[in-house]
Amino acid sequence: GENVEQHPSTLSVQEGDSAVIKCTYSDSASNYFPWYKQELGKRPQLIIDIRSNVGEKKDQRIAVTLNKTAKHFSLHITETQPEDSAVYFCAAPHSSNTGKLIFGQGTTLQVKP
Amino acid sequence: IAGITQAPTSQILAAGRRMTLRCTQDMRHNAMYWYRQDLGLGLRLIHYSNTAGTTGKGEVPDGYSVSRANTDDFPLTLASAVPSQTSVYFCASSPILAWNEQFFGPGTRLTVL
Repeated sequence: GENVEQHPSTLSVQEGDSAVIKCTYSDSASNYFPWYKQELGKRPQLIIDIRSNVGEKKDQRIAVTLNKTAKHFSLHITETQPEDSAVYFCAAPHSSNTGKLIFGQGTTLQVKP
Repeated sequence: IAGITQAPTSQILAAGRRMTLRCTQDMRHNAMYWYRQDLGLGLRLIHYSNTAGTTGKGEVPDGYSVSRANTDDFPLTLASAVPSQTSVYFCASSPILAWNEQFFGPGTRLTVL
């Protein structure tokens, strides 16, 4: 079956450092890769997404890179701040091409002041 | 109502009981989804609907049913709850069933004893 693997499961960084979370997917036809952030006790919210016609997308301190050949994509957060502490989920399309998403297992990011 | 809402916020339920989790959105989105969130497993799709009157199965549909009588409402029913259905349940919606942002509700924390 198809799968989205996300690593690491937990990540602790010092404020100001960078954080990188990586996801791999199995369906080579996938062409949409969103990242969601979930703060403690809150709902997941989209923070950035990338489509397969681009290799990188940036939005202020966050960026996503995509390597379709290797079938992996990564979330990069620079100059981390305590408010970046949250659980981050990647996702990739289900192979049925119905608009459904398969989510990764999540990464708990802790930014230490 | 603004956005997407869920009820109840939390519920403790005896095994074998029937339970309906409610989800309502006022964004006139065509697509709606139900996920369950379990630690270490991320968000797993239970059922989805791409428009009123149609539903489909996700990754973990067993023990759950849904209906989509109109655009706004997408209730999730557990016919006979079991302890393994203890989880946090999120409803989500998107304009269409395609590769775009999903908007999540606040979640329902369900405990089955």
